[in-house]
Amino acid sequence: QKEVEQDPGPLSVPEGAIVSLNCTYSNSAFQYFMWYRQYSRKGPELLMYTYSSGNKEDGRFTAQVDKSSKYISLFIRDSQPSDSATYLCAMTDDKIIFGKGTRLHILP
Amino acid sequence: DVKVTQSSRYLVKRTGEKVFLECVQDMDHENMFWYRQDPGLGLRLIYFSYDVKMKEKGDIPEGYSVSREKKERFSLILESASTNQTSMYLCALLDKAHGYTFGSGTRLTVV
Repeated sequence: QKEVEQDPGPLSVPEGAIVSLNCTYSNSAFQYFMWYRQYSRKGPELLMYTYSSGNKEDGRFTAQVDKSSKYISLFIRDSQPSDSATYLCAMTDDKIIFGKGTRLHILP
Repeated sequence: DVKVTQSSRYLVKRTGEKVFLECVQDMDHENMFWYRQDPGLGLRLIYFSYDVKMKEKGDIPEGYSVSREKKERFSLILESASTNQTSMYLCALLDKAHGYTFGSGTRLTVV
C-alpha cells in the first residue's frame, strides 16, 4: 500500500462550485498535513497546513483532517478559474511525503 | 518572505554533458532539498542537505551529485546527462515557520 494516495484527476468543475480534494494515507505517525498549489510551469506553493484532526479555514479554503480514517481534504468554496492548478497533499513524521497531485480545472 | 531562486527556467542539454542546476536562498536556512517531478510519478527526492558541506541521498540519487559549499547555495550536478533525466527539477528549503518553500523549477530536456 502506498503511503499517500491522491486521485490524479483531472477534475473539472464549473465556476462557483464547491471543490473537494482528498488524500488518504497509511502511516498513523503523520502529524503535520499540508496542501500545496502548483500552477503550470511553477514550483508548488504552500496553501495550508494543519496539525492533528479537525478543520482549518482560510478564506475560501478549508483543510480537514480525520486521523481516525487517515483521510485529509481540501475544500474550495466559490471556485474561480484562477484556482485551476495541481493540488498536492503532503504530510510529515520525520520526513515529508507528497501525494502525486490532483489537476483541477475550473470552467468559466 | 523566504525566496528560493533557481537560476534557469529552461535548459536543453546533450546526452553525456555535465549539467549544473543552481539554487540560491536569501535567508540563512540550513535544510535544502532537490526534487524531480514527473507526470504520474509526483515529486521524488534526489538529495538533501542539512548544512554546509553536508549531503544525504534521497530516494533516487543515482546519476546525480550535489554541492553545498556555502549555506545559501545548493547545486545539483548531473555527471553525464541522459535522456531519462529529462524532467522538472525543483529546489526547496525547509523552515519551521513556513514549511517547505519551493523554487520556480528548472525544466531540463536532455537530447
